[in-house]
Amino acid sequence: GESVGLHLPTLSVQEGDNSIINCAYSNSASDYFIWYKQESGKGPQFIIDIRSNMDKRQGQRVTVLLNKTVKHLSLQIAATQPGDSAVYFCAEIVSGNFGNEKLTFGTGTRLTIIP
Amino acid sequence: NAGVMQNPRHLVRRRGQEARLRCSPMKGHSHVYWYRQLPEEGLKFMVYLQKENIIDESGMPKERFSAEFPKEGPSILRIQQVVRGDSAAYFCASSPTFGGFTDTQYFGPGTRLTVL
Repeated sequence: GESVGLHLPTLSVQEGDNSIINCAYSNSASDYFIWYKQESGKGPQFIIDIRSNMDKRQGQRVTVLLNKTVKHLSLQIAATQPGDSAVYFCAEIVSGNFGNEKLTFGTGTRLTIIP
Repeated sequence: NAGVMQNPRHLVRRRGQEARLRCSPMKGHSHVYWYRQLPEEGLKFMVYLQKENIIDESGMPKERFSAEFPKEGPSILRIQQVVRGDSAAYFCASSPTFGGFTDTQYFGPGTRLTVL
């Protein structure tokens, strides 16, 4: 079936360096993607989103890149800080059966920032 | 400015017992979503409700699981006769508009259910 998955389950980055988290998706009909950050013991927190008519979107210290040709999504975090340590999920929006939309999450990548 | 609230935060049940998980959406939000998260996995959609209506329950197991969102009070996810495989974190999210996303779906802190 259609799924959203991640290449790397864990990633360790030196504080101050940049990090890149990758995500592959298989549903070619998806037109909207979101990156979430989940800290230990907490619910997912929205980071940044991108629509399929874009290939890049920037936020504060974060950039999301979308390559529709190879169905690949990435999250770049610049100048990482200890507070960036968390699990990061990509999620795609799929249409529900009743006109609603629902999130399909990938497995997640655990990012650890080394002081 | 309270966010989405869930209680209890941790729940321990023995096999065969019932589990009731509560979710109070953000003020003004009338749409509630429940997700389940197994350890080291992403969240899986379970059900989408509006006040007094179940809109999409395509992610709900066919048996033992039910959800409601009454006119007054929190949304309830009910699991009857729990089994060890029900052990997971259950997250609730709410939104103010029909199906809208970007940053309009806000997640609660989750309830961690452990079945002994």
